[in-house]
Amino acid sequence: GESVGLHLPTLSVQEGDNSIINCAYSNSASDYFIWYKQESGKGPQFIIDIRSNMDKRQGQRVTVLLNKTVKHLSLQIAATQPGDSAVYFCAENINSGYSTLTFGKGTMLLVSP
Amino acid sequence: EADIYQTPRYLVIGTGKKITLECSQTMGHDKMYWYQQDPGMELHLIHYSYGVNSTEKGDLSSESTVSRIRTEHFPLTLESARPSHTSQYLCASEAGMGNEQFFGPGTRLTVL
Repeated sequence: GESVGLHLPTLSVQEGDNSIINCAYSNSASDYFIWYKQESGKGPQFIIDIRSNMDKRQGQRVTVLLNKTVKHLSLQIAATQPGDSAVYFCAENINSGYSTLTFGKGTMLLVSP
Repeated sequence: EADIYQTPRYLVIGTGKKITLECSQTMGHDKMYWYQQDPGMELHLIHYSYGVNSTEKGDLSSESTVSRIRTEHFPLTLESARPSHTSQYLCASEAGMGNEQFFGPGTRLTVL
């Protein structure tokens, strides 16, 4: 139920800077990873995904890096814009078809003009 | 923009009321999910479905129930709402195995 939320880790950047958001995932058997963006009052929105046979994948202004050795995932946003301000969640899954996504705790990105 | 809808968007009700949160998707996805999310917190899976007539409980224990009579519809019901049910409820759907989930806008539930 409702509870006083813990303060989210927050990354504050200036418009135009590059942003890096990090995520440590929990299951060494996970083989599919997603980054979601959630703006206030909205549902999460897909940004980019990566499978475990890759260590880097690029999208438009975003890059996801996967380090399976240390179970670490990062999201890099180039030329960050005020519209990028949101909470970013990483999620992991085992691609068995019968497993479900496990979400990380989220990082709030604040972009100042 | 994904075609997944949730109604109502906001709901304030009294303790003891029965409520149903609606979720519909027009993408023909077999897998659907319900998550509970408190402010500033991660998403917790409470129910999911692999397809019609399939329902499973998620990681977070919930007093709610779900049904999946049609592919496109996955309603969540609380028989007797309590203040501890106050939260945001997010519905999602997925095309197949190991693919991205598309989320609805959420229902913000407040139980007085």
